[in-house]
Amino acid sequence: EIVMTQSPATLSVSPGERATLSCRASQSVTSNLAWYQQKRGQAPRLLIYGASTRATGIPARFSGGGSGTEFTLTISSLQSEDFAVYYCQQYNNWPRTFGQGTKVEIK
Amino acid sequence: EVQLVQSGAEVKTPGESLKISCKGSGYSFTTYWIAWVRQMPGRGLEWMGIIFPGDSDTRYSPSFQGQVTISVDKSISTAYLQWSSLQASDSAIYYCARCESISGFDYWGQGTLVTVPS
Repeated sequence: EIVMTQSPATLSVSPGERATLSCRASQSVTSNLAWYQQKRGQAPRLLIYGASTRATGIPARFSGGGSGTEFTLTISSLQSEDFAVYYCQQYNNWPRTFGQGTKVEIK
Repeated sequence: EVQLVQSGAEVKTPGESLKISCKGSGYSFTTYWIAWVRQMPGRGLEWMGIIFPGDSDTRYSPSFQGQVTISVDKSISTAYLQWSSLQASDSAIYYCARCESISGFDYWGQGTLVTVPS
């Protein structure tokens, strides 16, 4: 089973600042990686798939990068609605696996 | 409009059985996988397993293999997650989500809260 490790666990950022989240896979997942945003009390929402492709309706301030075992999600200028928990997920191997999440909180 | 609508919240006692559902609409149900994802209180997302309604091909996470059963009734565009004997540790929100064969989950159900008091 591929283990996905996200860092940091919590990221404190001021509105308007840039946030960079990391996700590491225990073995290569090529570019078969997705990022999700989950707000309190809501289902997750797909942000990025294929490591770097924004899902439909996702603002351009969200960008994904990386391949193989190292990935990043960057939010270029944090808006109030972006404070949430973010998860990465690999879909290269069975079973599909999620990272443990990074909480982005207001500094 | 694509929708995944899940069955309502459940409160059960330990040892009881349970089957929750996820009904898809607005797309060709048999051409997308449906997965189940667990979220325990205050915790992260856990991938439980997945089924392809077209041929009922099913895969499980080793952590959930033998603990739950995933099934589908494609005639009514509905996927199911069931337990034969619930435990307090099964208390969680369960989400269904759809994906193509090698892709992220683009649509999610609203979640079903299962509570099993100890």
